[in-house]
Amino acid sequence: AQTVTQSQPEMSVQEAETVTLSCTYDTSESNYYLFWYKQPPSRQMILVIRQEAYKQQNATENRFSVNFQKAAKSFSLKISDSQLGDTAMYFCAFRGLSAGNMLTFGGGTRLMVKP
Amino acid sequence: DTAVSQTPKYLVTQMGNDKSIKCEQNLGHDTMYWYKQDSKKFLKIMFSYNNKELIINETVPNRFSPKSPDKAHLNLHINSLELGDSAVYFCASSPRQGVYEQYFGPGTRLTVT
Repeated sequence: AQTVTQSQPEMSVQEAETVTLSCTYDTSESNYYLFWYKQPPSRQMILVIRQEAYKQQNATENRFSVNFQKAAKSFSLKISDSQLGDTAMYFCAFRGLSAGNMLTFGGGTRLMVKP
Repeated sequence: DTAVSQTPKYLVTQMGNDKSIKCEQNLGHDTMYWYKQDSKKFLKIMFSYNNKELIINETVPNRFSPKSPDKAHLNLHINSLELGDSAVYFCASSPRQGVYEQYFGPGTRLTVT
């Protein structure tokens, strides 16, 4: 069974600064997908970024980028030029290619962006 | 247009009752899911379902059952509700194959008193 660990329950960052959220996972599969989801106070789950494990290049979406280290089973999220609207819970998620296509989530990191 | 919708958004009920949460997606996706988010914000898969296959998380009590009248709907039925069932329940959908992310509904906050 896969496990996903987010070691930072809470983080804060000043507006316009950069913050990195950590995520590690454990799996015996060689091919899989990784995601970061954002959950603002509205509780809607919003996809931030995704990464295919077979791709060496780190994914980037505007101010959001990942540092994917497959050997270390690490998948951190970097948010540049933090904005107040980035305040939310952030969840790292793993999806293998086994039956069901189900996501396994980490415990989440609560990010507060301060003005 | 809402991609994945759930009703109701809030549900308050008493222990022992039976309740249902409805989910509909208009994305044409093959696979739908139910997740439970507990009071500590931990998200856990309950079911994965397409028209051919139901995958059940082994930790889910058999009081919970998904029912799919058609490809666009996956409802969650809960029998004999318990206090520990209080949580936010999310429906999601995705294409069956590929790297595509799962699209989530807005969630249903269930409170059992």
